Amino acid sequence: SQTIHQWPATLVQPVGSPLSLECTVEGTSNPNLYWYRQAAGRGLQLLFYSVGIGQISSEVPQNLSASRPQDRQFILSSKKLLLSDSGFYLCAWSITGLGTDTQYFGPGTRLTVL
Amino acid sequence: DAKTTQPTSMDCAEGRAANLPCNHSTISGNEYVYWYRQIHSQGPQYIIHGLKNNETNEMASLIITEDRKSSTLILPHATLRDTAVYYCIVRWSDMRFGAGTRLTVKP
Repeated sequence: SQTIHQWPATLVQPVGSPLSLECTVEGTSNPNLYWYRQAAGRGLQLLFYSVGIGQISSEVPQNLSASRPQDRQFILSSKKLLLSDSGFYLCAWSITGLGTDTQYFGPGTRLTVL
Repeated sequence: DAKTTQPTSMDCAEGRAANLPCNHSTISGNEYVYWYRQIHSQGPQYIIHGLKNNETNEMASLIITEDRKSSTLILPHATLRDTAVYYCIVRWSDMRFGAGTRLTVKP
């Protein structure tokens, strides 16, 4: 069966510090991968998605970047965090086929920027 | 620019069926209806999806109207652990969750 991991689970970082969040998927090959952010009490905002190694599409211009160095690894980064980067970061995966594109989410990373 | 509309909140008694409605009047012919839920501080959990026919799995049933402009998620015997925000999603290209329905199951 497929599983998705995210770490760390929680993170407190000072403004201006760098960020690296990691997401890995097990049990599937060539997944589509996604990074979302959820502000407190709000819906999910798509940040980045990738359909293959080295391929990244950005949905929202911002202080963040994403990379996909391996088939099942997706990394969210920032060189200098802003207060507004605080939120709940979720990674998701999907396999396109049969007309559906069901996404499966990881446990999330709660980031607090102080 | 939400593609679906759902009630903000609903209550349900434990052991009773919970029926969560969703309107998606702009749905296209090849678009699926997906349902997810999110328990506080956890990632969204996939529940079920469907295109035209009603669907059932171990978690829930999905009833889609014949014109596909609305659907209902049914949790047949709600438990306290079903308390969560339930999201109805139609267009993955939009890739946004709306506000969802906050379901509270009460003892």
